[in-house]
Amino acid sequence: GENVEQHPSTLSVQEGDSAVIKCTYSDSASNYFPWYKQELGKRPQLIIDIRSNVGEKKDQRIAVTLNKTAKHFSLHITETQPEDSAVYFCAASPRNTGGFKTIFGAGTRLFVKA
Amino acid sequence: SAVISQKPSRDICQRGTSLTIQCQVDSQVTMMFWYRQQPGQSLTLIATANQGSEATYESGFVIDKFPISRPNLTFSTLTVSNMSPEDSSIYLCSVLSGTGIHEQYFGPGTRLTVT
Repeated sequence: GENVEQHPSTLSVQEGDSAVIKCTYSDSASNYFPWYKQELGKRPQLIIDIRSNVGEKKDQRIAVTLNKTAKHFSLHITETQPEDSAVYFCAASPRNTGGFKTIFGAGTRLFVKA
Repeated sequence: SAVISQKPSRDICQRGTSLTIQCQVDSQVTMMFWYRQQPGQSLTLIATANQGSEATYESGFVIDKFPISRPNLTFSTLTVSNMSPEDSSIYLCSVLSGTGIHEQYFGPGTRLTVT
């Protein structure tokens, strides 16, 4: 089955700096890669996603990149703000190929220092 | 996006008892999932619940311990049976919604403490 590894487990940055979180996946059938942000005591919230037919996607300060050959994908947050502090989860799923279940990475706890 | 509610939001239960968690969605959805999130940990898929068929359980989870019902396209229940302190966790239901690639949304979770 699918296995998703995520690094680093903890990331501390100064406000205004960039943050990068990296993930790898094992199942070549995975074709959909969402990222979730979870604030303390709250539910995971989908913040951005990328499909396997796209190499990069941006939404304001957030961008995701995907390297299908290497089975790597990354989340980039620019101009970080204290409200970006949360746990971020990457995930992988074989959408539309009969699987649909989503497997999550272990999470990255991001601290943005003001 | 789908609006998902769960009941109860939290509960404290005694060892050996059972708790049924309800998940209600404001629109019809084909696929629903139940996840467990232990404190400070990631999301672990328990099972996939499709209407009209038996739930599909992941490795390490069995129907006798976590029976699931899915009577219609807007509702599901997860029962945690014969609880032990190791079952203390947050349980989240999740649905696929939207068109195309099917975005996945989570309920607010049920925080279970077993004493």
